[in-house]
Amino acid sequence: GQQVMQIPQYQHVQEGEDFTTYCNSSTTLSNIQWYKQRPGGHPVFLIQLVKSGEVKKQKRLTFQFGEAKKNSSLHITATQTTDVGTYFCAGNFGNEKLTFGTGTRLTIIP
Amino acid sequence: KAGVTQTPRYLIKTRGQQVTLSCSPISGHRSVSWYQQTPGQGLQFLFEYFSETQRNKGNFPGRFSGRQFSNSRSEMNVSTLELGDSALYLCASSSDAFSAFSGANVLTFGAGSRLTVL
Repeated sequence: GQQVMQIPQYQHVQEGEDFTTYCNSSTTLSNIQWYKQRPGGHPVFLIQLVKSGEVKKQKRLTFQFGEAKKNSSLHITATQTTDVGTYFCAGNFGNEKLTFGTGTRLTIIP
Repeated sequence: KAGVTQTPRYLIKTRGQQVTLSCSPISGHRSVSWYQQTPGQGLQFLFEYFSETQRNKGNFPGRFSGRQFSNSRSEMNVSTLELGDSALYLCASSSDAFSAFSGANVLTFGAGSRLTVL
């Protein structure tokens, strides 16, 4: 079946460093969504990108959707302890169900 | 606006028993999706219901089943529990999880039901 691969699986960064997670698909996605799950919590929607090459920002977070709509990235500038958690991407292939990536677990070293 | 409510939040069962989990979606949401989350396994899709119809099912054995009622509330059932069924079961509601372009597919997750099988 169609899959969404996410790398890296784990990332440990010093507080204040930048962080990036990548999402890749072998086939074109209709959209890409990003969710954040805090430790012990549930996934919470962050953003959705729909257009080819789209870039959106939320404070220190920058989200990109590739030109071919097959990849996406989430970049966090100057990480803070509140950024700890697992970041999931998810996308629709056509009008099929959302397919989630495997997630990137971010830990911050104070 | 009330969020997605899942009950029970925690439960402990023994092997061979069965369990029923409940999910009340956000008012007006007609789509309910269920996911299983275990450490290191990410979010595994179980099934999705829309207007009382199952539209899609993940790769889980027939012991896992679900249904949706006319008020959009959903239940999932796991029969003949196995140790490997221990997990966090998440329910997520949306206007329409299959609608890729309208924003109706944004999922709102409940807090989950944490099942431990002994």
